[in-house]
Amino acid sequence: EDQVTQSPEALRLQEGESSSLNCSYTVSGLRGLFWYRQDPGKGPEFLFTLYSAGEEKEKERLKATLTKKESFLHITAPKPEDSATYLCAVQSILNYNQGGKLIFGQGTELSVKP
Amino acid sequence: NAGVTQTPKFRILKIGQSMTLQCTQDMNHNYMYWYRQDPGMGLKLIYYSVGAGITDKGEVPNGYNVSRSTTEDFPLRLELAAPSQTSVYFCASSSGTGVTPQHFGDGTRLSIL
Repeated sequence: EDQVTQSPEALRLQEGESSSLNCSYTVSGLRGLFWYRQDPGKGPEFLFTLYSAGEEKEKERLKATLTKKESFLHITAPKPEDSATYLCAVQSILNYNQGGKLIFGQGTELSVKP
Repeated sequence: NAGVTQTPKFRILKIGQSMTLQCTQDMNHNYMYWYRQDPGMGLKLIYYSVGAGITDKGEVPNGYNVSRSTTEDFPLRLELAAPSQTSVYFCASSSGTGVTPQHFGDGTRLSIL
């Protein structure tokens, strides 16, 4: 059974204090791993898609990396506006052929204090 | 560009009542999805559709029904609402071509009392 586990559940940082969020997954053939940002009262907002081990993608202070078992979302010198819940999701080969279904982790709630 | 629009944003129902959550997208996406999000549980797929007239069950379909008569609209029907259906409901869409991200609406917050 496909599974996604994110850690930590919550992370509190001071402004400028870099850190990483983890997404561990078990899946029967990975087609893609997605990172989303979710602000309170809003829907998830797409950030990145990673397709294969070794791939990296960057956007402003965020960098996502992928290995065969996990993905990391690195946040460099975070600002208060980076505070949000970050969601990880995987799409397996089986789910790709079944409407492109995603399996989501439970999310990491990031709080960045000034 | 509106993207995915959900209505209503909030609703309170009594046990046993029925309602329809509306979802429409203007991106001409073939694939549409309904999720529920409960605290600490992540997003769970309720139903999905790969095109007009085609729907299928996700992980947690019990107590819900869907229809897809047009590309744009994908309503979710709750029959005989139960307290366990108190949740935040998200609709999403994707183009369905290749490994493409899903784009989400801002949700409907539903309480059943």
